[in-house]
Amino acid sequence: QITLKESGPTLVKPTQTLTLTCTFSGFSLSTSGVGVGWIRQPPGKALEWLALIYWDDDKRYSPSLKSRLTITKDTSKNQVVLTMTNMDPVDTATYYCAHVHDYGDFGFDYWGQGTLVTVSS
Amino acid sequence: QSVLTQPPSASGTPGQRVTISCSGSSSNIGSNYVYWYQQLPGTAPKLLIYRNNQRPSGVPDRFSGSKSGTSASLAISGLRSEDEADYYCAAWDDSLSGHVFGTGTKVTVL
Repeated sequence: QITLKESGPTLVKPTQTLTLTCTFSGFSLSTSGVGVGWIRQPPGKALEWLALIYWDDDKRYSPSLKSRLTITKDTSKNQVVLTMTNMDPVDTATYYCAHVHDYGDFGFDYWGQGTLVTVSS
Repeated sequence: QSVLTQPPSASGTPGQRVTISCSGSSSNIGSNYVYWYQQLPGTAPKLLIYRNNQRPSGVPDRFSGSKSGTSASLAISGLRSEDEADYYCAAWDDSLSGHVFGTGTKVTVL
């Protein structure tokens, strides 16, 4: 079955760079149409899509955060990494990674449990 | 930051039908599929509806989705206590070239 799990620091300081890793199983990021996305949710607030990387290394970013985000994949390790630069307290949120297939036509059908990242000095 | 607008809350008694609206624009709902996600307290979101009105395996047929123009709706019939959760609509936005989520609706079972 498909599983995803996020990992990374729980606390980062303002201006630092956040690096999150999504480790998955049950699918391959070399399969046509498959992708992994990142979505975050500040405490008590709505979901916000951040980035998505497809099997062919096509990358999409949220326009409002594009300058701060980088998404990469390591197909051999079954991992997707998201980096976000210049972290600010407003970036405090639970960060989720999620699976898509058929280029997302079927939605984010599998999600990780999420990891809470707090930005504070 | 959400470009899809939902009512903040909805409620009903057990057995009732509850409908949640999702308002967008021609660049998102008007030209792309709509998805709905259910987020139970303290858990990750779960895909409830894809391609406007399709249910993934395991989702009860009490949940149904529809779309008309630049708006979409999620209906929950035969409301149950375990349906108490936050619900989010989502769609691809051609202008933003990215996914957009709704503002979220908290459903309370009275």
